[in-house]
Amino acid sequence: EDQVTQSPEALRLQEGESSSLNCSYTVSGLRGLFWYRQDPGKGPEFLFTLYSAGEEKEKERLKATLTKKESFLHITAPKPEDSATYLCAVQSYSGGGADGLTFGKGTHLIIQP
Amino acid sequence: EPEVTQTPSHQVTQMGQEVILRCVPISNHLYFYWYRQILGQKVEFLVSFYNNEISEKSEIFDDQFSVERPDGSNFTLKIRSTKLEDSAMYFCASDRAPSGNTIYFGEGSWLTVV
Repeated sequence: EDQVTQSPEALRLQEGESSSLNCSYTVSGLRGLFWYRQDPGKGPEFLFTLYSAGEEKEKERLKATLTKKESFLHITAPKPEDSATYLCAVQSYSGGGADGLTFGKGTHLIIQP
Repeated sequence: EPEVTQTPSHQVTQMGQEVILRCVPISNHLYFYWYRQILGQKVEFLVSFYNNEISEKSEIFDDQFSVERPDGSNFTLKIRSTKLEDSAMYFCASDRAPSGNTIYFGEGSWLTVV
């Protein structure tokens, strides 16, 4: 059974204070690791898909990295508008077809001005 | 930017009633999903759909749930006899490929069962 654990559960930063969010995962065979941003009452907004250890992707102030057991979402010089819950999810290989994502509980990030 | 659209945004229903949640996936996508999120909890996979049939389903997706793609654009989730514990946000998602491409989610349908 796939498992995803995110830490910390909540993080409060000052504007401009860089930090990292962690996603530890257990999966039989990784098809992809996904990062999403979720605002209250909204659907998850796609950020990145990572496929193999060593891969890195960047988007504005966000950078995602992947190892064989965990992924990090690095936030550089965050702004208040980066406040949201960040979700990590894994998709594993099965017999083919469209496999469902297994999500973590998320990290609730607050950026104070 | 293309998006997944869902209707209704919010529905209140009596326990035991049937509910249909509707989704229009992104037009060139082939893989479709339903997820749910109970308030304060994590997003949970319900079912995936490809080539007009269910590809995978979770333990949550029991006999009271069904999915259908009635035409070339809509994808629906039906809950036959709603229970109080079905109250949740239901998300539709779509993907162009199953190989971990980009899975886009809709804004959700908030279902309240009373």
